[in-house]
Amino acid sequence: DVKVTQSSRYLVKRTGEKVFLECVQDMDHENMFWYRQDPGLGLRLIYFSYDVKMKEKGDIPEGYSVSREKKERFSLILESASTNQTSMYLCASIGRDPSGANVLTFGAGSRLTVL
Amino acid sequence: EDQVTQSPEALRLQEGESSSLNCSYTVSGLRGLFWYRQDPGKGPEFLFTLYSAGEEKEKERLKATLTKKESFLHITAPKPEDSATYLCAVRSSGGYQKVTFGIGTKLQVIP
Repeated sequence: DVKVTQSSRYLVKRTGEKVFLECVQDMDHENMFWYRQDPGLGLRLIYFSYDVKMKEKGDIPEGYSVSREKKERFSLILESASTNQTSMYLCASIGRDPSGANVLTFGAGSRLTVL
Repeated sequence: EDQVTQSPEALRLQEGESSSLNCSYTVSGLRGLFWYRQDPGKGPEFLFTLYSAGEEKEKERLKATLTKKESFLHITAPKPEDSATYLCAVRSSGGYQKVTFGIGTKLQVIP
């Protein structure tokens, strides 16, 4: 089974701190995604990457940046955390399963609280 | 811009009471419609991918169907363990094939 691992399940940071959220996938997938999930708003795409060092802005990129130096690793960076970035952050990668179907696989999520 | 609308937002069923969840979408070239199940505090868990109108897929008590404008997730004789939020998403062929999600339907199955 494809595994997407997010390094931190729970984080508490202070306003203005720099925050790194790490995500690693083990199936050689080219496409990786970062979403945030908030009650009533659903999953919103922050950034996605279709190859090493390649990235595209999603629907809500403001206040975030990303890094993809290796194929298996996609990092989300909050340069200066703010309270409105308190959220659940979900990383995902997409690729074909043994049946040939495209499958978007998620990590367990990182719940970030900014005080 | 790709859009996904799910209805109802919340659904309460008695155990054994079958029903359907709806996902309406607009997308610039569909490259896959996904259904996910999400339990509180966890990441979404993959259920199905559908590609073309008329396609159907089944897994235990769940069956997903697809038309050109919407998808349905049919739940037959649900059990309390089916309680979760069900998410629908579409992958477009335009641009870099991003995946857009609906807000979800929160299902509660009462014993």
